[in-house]
Amino acid sequence: EVHLVESGGGLIQPGGSLRLSCAASGFAVSNHHMAWVRQAPGKGLKWVSTTYSGDSSFYADSVKGRFTISRDISKNTVYLQMNSLRAEDTAVYYCARATFGVVSWGRGTLVLVSS
Amino acid sequence: QLVLTQSPSASASLGASVRLTCTLSSGHSNYAVTWHQQQPEKGPRYLMKLNSDGSHTKGDGIPDRFSGSSSGAERYLTISSLQSDDEADYYCQTWGTGWVFGGGTKLTVL
Repeated sequence: EVHLVESGGGLIQPGGSLRLSCAASGFAVSNHHMAWVRQAPGKGLKWVSTTYSGDSSFYADSVKGRFTISRDISKNTVYLQMNSLRAEDTAVYYCARATFGVVSWGRGTLVLVSS
Repeated sequence: QLVLTQSPSASASLGASVRLTCTLSSGHSNYAVTWHQQQPEKGPRYLMKLNSDGSHTKGDGIPDRFSGSSSGAERYLTISSLQSDDEADYYCQTWGTGWVFGGGTKLTVL
């Protein structure tokens, strides 16, 4: 069974950094299309970043140059390194896997950027 | 530009059926979409992948009351025999350079 567990969220001041983790079980992250999606309070779902099995990565314009997606195959975990955080980055961050169009979701971790 | 358009809200009575619409932008009418349900205070739940020919692949445990269909650039999610816990936000999603989401439809069950 596919299982995704996010962690690493919390309260951070503007300009700070956080690293989110997505621990996967039931499959190997090295072989799958993995993504981060966020949801600001009261708003809809917004794509943040994607990494494909060939190691190519893509980012939404709003986070390009500040966020980096990566994976550790030995830990079967995907990461999102978030630098230069802004108030508008406040959101619940979800990890997701897409395989032939079938999506699996984690439960999310809350990032609150505030002074 | 790849855009998905959804009506912000919909409502239907308990036990009735409702059809939610997701419209693909011009030039993208052959794209598949996925549908996701988000109940209040919960994370998204994958419902199905819906192809341009109307064929669809549902997620594990998704009841038969949920079905999908397609016509041109429109992708539909139909929920029959509405129950109170179907009251949720419904999002469609597809893939361009990244993931593209519709704005979501808030379904109220009366």
